[in-house]
Amino acid sequence: GAGVSQTPSNKVTEKGKYVELRCDPISGHTALYWYRQSLGQGPEFLIYFQGTGAADDSGLPNDRFFAVRPEGSVSTLKIQRTERGDSAVYLCASSLMLTDTQYFGPGTRLTVL
Amino acid sequence: DQQVKQNSPSLSVQEGRISILNCDYTNSMFDYFLWYKKYPAEGPTFLISISSIKDKNEDGRFTVFLNKSAKHLSLHIVPSQPGDSAVYFCAASAGQGAQKLVFGQGTRLTINP
Repeated sequence: GAGVSQTPSNKVTEKGKYVELRCDPISGHTALYWYRQSLGQGPEFLIYFQGTGAADDSGLPNDRFFAVRPEGSVSTLKIQRTERGDSAVYLCASSLMLTDTQYFGPGTRLTVL
Repeated sequence: DQQVKQNSPSLSVQEGRISILNCDYTNSMFDYFLWYKKYPAEGPTFLISISSIKDKNEDGRFTVFLNKSAKHLSLHIVPSQPGDSAVYFCAASAGQGAQKLVFGQGTRLTINP
């Protein structure tokens, strides 16, 4: 596919469970970003990668959130001990280089019951 | 602390007329600004950007104006078309290009036939 893809599109889980959200960036894009969008708000930055390394993780709300990009392509956002307040749409974006335009995927809607 | 603000949650415009969406920011370190458009169940789509060294950037029906002294930018769409109905997000970043984006809350634009 030509665009950023995210799986699953929807995830419903119970409070306290562990979840993984996956992002496949556009082929050849070196930078990858995660954002979180709560209802009625704009996307909020979480973390970005340049290659395999996390260049800036200052937006991760606490240590229950972790993201990896082991081979510099696909990234996984991991949330431990989920809480109801984690319910949101998690958006992934990629760009060719770090300062280029970010292209977003459709998002994963996470619902924590 | 909302660094990027879109004070109008919604805007309704007649087809063929001009749509003007507004955005204010507080962080004087922001030097790159973007507008994204979002349809339901899709990720944000990049529309147009402007660097702080310019005060206007035009792309087809879309023009972005930047007033640095007022810390204000606006997006003009002319003529407005029904397909322009969407939520529009203003975003800003600091440090040469689009990196860690800070988004506004969004404005829902409805174009009436």
